[in-house]
Amino acid sequence: AQTVTQSQPEMSVQEAETVTLSCTYDTSESDYYLFWYKQPPSRQMILVIRQEAYKQQNATENRFSVNFQKAAKSFSLKISDSQLGDAAMYFCAYRSAGWTNAGKSTFGDGTTLTVKP
Amino acid sequence: KAGVTQTPRYLIKTRGQQVTLSCSPISGHRSVSWYQQTPGQGLQFLFEYFSETQRNKGNFPGRFSGRQFSNSRSEMNVSTLELGDSALYLCASSHGHLYEQYFGPGTRLTVT
Repeated sequence: AQTVTQSQPEMSVQEAETVTLSCTYDTSESDYYLFWYKQPPSRQMILVIRQEAYKQQNATENRFSVNFQKAAKSFSLKISDSQLGDAAMYFCAYRSAGWTNAGKSTFGDGTTLTVKP
Repeated sequence: KAGVTQTPRYLIKTRGQQVTLSCSPISGHRSVSWYQQTPGQGLQFLFEYFSETQRNKGNFPGRFSGRQFSNSRSEMNVSTLELGDSALYLCASSHGHLYEQYFGPGTRLTVT
């Protein structure tokens, strides 16, 4: 079974600064997807960024980028120019590319990010 | 496109009762997954439906069941409610297993 570990329960960052959230995962599969989701206090889970395991290039979405290290099974999220609206709980998630675990995402325990003005 | 919708948003039930939660996926999405979110256990996968068939199931007791209709709308049912079933139930839809999931706002279930 796959596991996802987020070792930082809480992080804080000053507005306009950069912060990196860590995520490691364990899997024996070679083909999979990794995601970062954001869950603000309103509780709506929002997709931040997606990475396909077969792609070596790190995904980027505006101020959000990832550092994907497949061999190390590491998938960190970097938020640049942090904004007050980035304050939320961030979840790292793993999803198999195969049918066996179709529709199932495995989530880490989350990192609560506080942005200080 | 409208997002994933879930009804009701809040629900209070008594132990022993049963409850049905509804999820309408994004138009065109055929896969619907359900998750339970609690402070102690985090996000746990309940089950996934694709084209009206349950394709995958998590480690939950048989009291938790679901179904999907021909229009891809899904319902989940919890029978004989227990206090520990109090949670935020999230529904997520996607085009299929190779695509990202989009989540609804959730249904907050409180069992007293």
